[in-house]
Amino acid sequence: GAGVSQSPSNKVTEKGKDVELRCDPISGHTALYWYRQSLGQGLEFLIYFQGNSAPDKSGLPSDRFSAERTGGSVSTLTIQRTQQEDSAVYLCASSLGEGTLSGANVLTFGAGSRLTVL
Amino acid sequence: DQQVKQNSPSLSVQEGRISILNCDYTNSMFDYFLWYKKYPAEGPTFLISISSIKDKNEDGRFTVFLNKSAKHLSLHIVPSQPGDSAVYFCAASGIQGAQKLVFGQGTRLTINP
Repeated sequence: GAGVSQSPSNKVTEKGKDVELRCDPISGHTALYWYRQSLGQGLEFLIYFQGNSAPDKSGLPSDRFSAERTGGSVSTLTIQRTQQEDSAVYLCASSLGEGTLSGANVLTFGAGSRLTVL
Repeated sequence: DQQVKQNSPSLSVQEGRISILNCDYTNSMFDYFLWYKKYPAEGPTFLISISSIKDKNEDGRFTVFLNKSAKHLSLHIVPSQPGDSAVYFCAASGIQGAQKLVFGQGTRLTINP
């Protein structure tokens, strides 16, 4: 597609339930990122996929969080046994991911999935 | 450990004047610096970037300045317009290649008519 697509745009769930958030990156982008923005906070890195390499999971806050990227395209972020502190906007981004000698690695973001845990 | 810091959570500027947003970083290995703009209920959008080998990059009303010795960068918007009201994030990336961006906390800019 023309941009990064995320679904659902809004999700309200009860504490303890599992949730899945989906990201469809820009076609041809090999790198995919998940960030989250909690209320009043900056963008917190969660996980990064680059091609067939092992993902960089260094930002995942706990083992309740996991993500996969199937076929090098669509990604799903799963949060198990949600807690109230998981409430945030979850942002997905993609980039060409090759890095160049002449330019920065510009990420293109989706509109985000707002998660509210009651 | 906050590697990229934006110490001003908000800034209010009169329309037509210059807006200056500041950002500090701690890691001297950062290779590129970027500014993103975010409107409510939308994802951040890329504004402008600068390589660590430069000290200035200009694009229309937007100019980014980099002071490597001070580990400081700033975004200048002149003249400021009402549509510039948004949250601005600075970000940094590591060595050339596909790297995650490390973001600051953001500065909410309000342009007053």
